[in-house]
Parts: sequence; C-alpha cells; structure tokens
Amino acid sequence: SAVISQKPSRDICQRGTSLTIQCQVDSQVTMMFWYRQQPGQSLTLIATANQGSEATYESGFVIDKFPISRPNLTFSTLTVSNMSPEDSSIYLCSVRGNYNSPLHFGNGTRLTVT
Amino acid sequence: DQQVKQNSPSLSVQEGRISILNCDYTNSMFDYFLWYKKYPAEGPTFLISISSIKDKNEDGRFTVFLNKSAKHLSLHIVPSQPGDSAVYFCAASDLGTYKYIFGTGTRLKVLA
Repeated sequence: SAVISQKPSRDICQRGTSLTIQCQVDSQVTMMFWYRQQPGQSLTLIATANQGSEATYESGFVIDKFPISRPNLTFSTLTVSNMSPEDSSIYLCSVRGNYNSPLHFGNGTRLTVT
Repeated sequence: DQQVKQNSPSLSVQEGRISILNCDYTNSMFDYFLWYKKYPAEGPTFLISISSIKDKNEDGRFTVFLNKSAKHLSLHIVPSQPGDSAVYFCAASDLGTYKYIFGTGTRLKVLA
C-alpha cells in the first residue's frame, strides 16, 4: 500500500489563525480524501481532493473554511481557516485505489485551537 | 443519522481469549465493509474487509462475519494479544460510491 506522509503531526494554534496541512504520497493515486476525527467521534469525510480542479465537499463543510489544493497525483494540502476551538480535531489524509478497495491513512495532524 | 454504529465504546479481554467487536448498519445498499485499527498518534490501519457476497472472511487471527439480514458485522480476534489493544473502527460503503462511512469506534484492551 502507499506510504502517506502528513505534516505537521501536531500543532497548537490561536483562534482566528489558519493552518495548512500537507499530505505527500509515495506513488500516484487517483483518489485522495481528507477526514476529520473530533474528540470521541467517528471519522467524518470533509472532502475529496480532485487533481487539477476544485475539491468536492461534504455536507457541512465549505471551501472558505477548508480550502484544499491538489496540484498533482501525489500531493494535497488542507487549510483550516479562521480557526476556533471547535476545529480542534485530528485531520487525516487518506488514499484509495479502485472502488471497493481499502482506504489507507496518513498518521494525521492533531490540531488544538486555543 | 448514524448509518454505522458501534454500540460498545470499550471492551476488555484477557490475553489468549477471543475478542468480539460488533458493528451494526442501517443502509441496505452497503455492500463492502472494512475494519480498521487505530493506535494513539497514528492513523487508522486497514485490517480486513468483506464484500456482501460473502458471510465470512479470515486473515490470520482476524475473522470478519457478515449477517446481511441482521445488518450486522463482527470482528473476531483469536487469540487476543496485548498488542491488539487499540481503537477499532468499522466502515461501510455501497457499490458505485467512493465514500466510506465509519462507526464511532470500540476501544479494545487486552489484559496480560
């Protein structure tokens, strides 16, 4: 399976600021996703990162708050904008192959907003 | 609306015994199911999957059972080892979509 490197691994940020999370994959992948895991909660899909075009966002997530870039088939960024304490979560990059194949995850970014 | 549910937030099992983790789903269109294990400070790691055309899939110490009529799947770990202590998530998707829906997780503790 692909090796997924995510950074930073953790950060503590002040409210009102923004943080950009990077995801690098060691091979070209078609499908790349960003998930969030809030404390004690399930993994929730934020958006699908589309190569060369705008990301596809899930209900409850908007581009202004979570802008995503995907310039090529191995790299993506997620920005958490104008952060509030409610944004404190683990943010996870994931990739998959064909339909009905497993998702593989990076190690996540643990974000704390004070 | 939680389409995938793990009703047991935690489970403790003695080393060497069987661990059984359960998962229920509501969407009858789901046809592919997965289990993931997550250690602290790491991303979820894929363990085992099963498609709806099967009712059992085995991989070493891990076996997943699917009961479509009950909309229920379970993960059996036997024998359980202390290194299995982690949070386990089940996930489901339906053919033609790329989205996986995750349960809330069960924290397994294997006691030495």
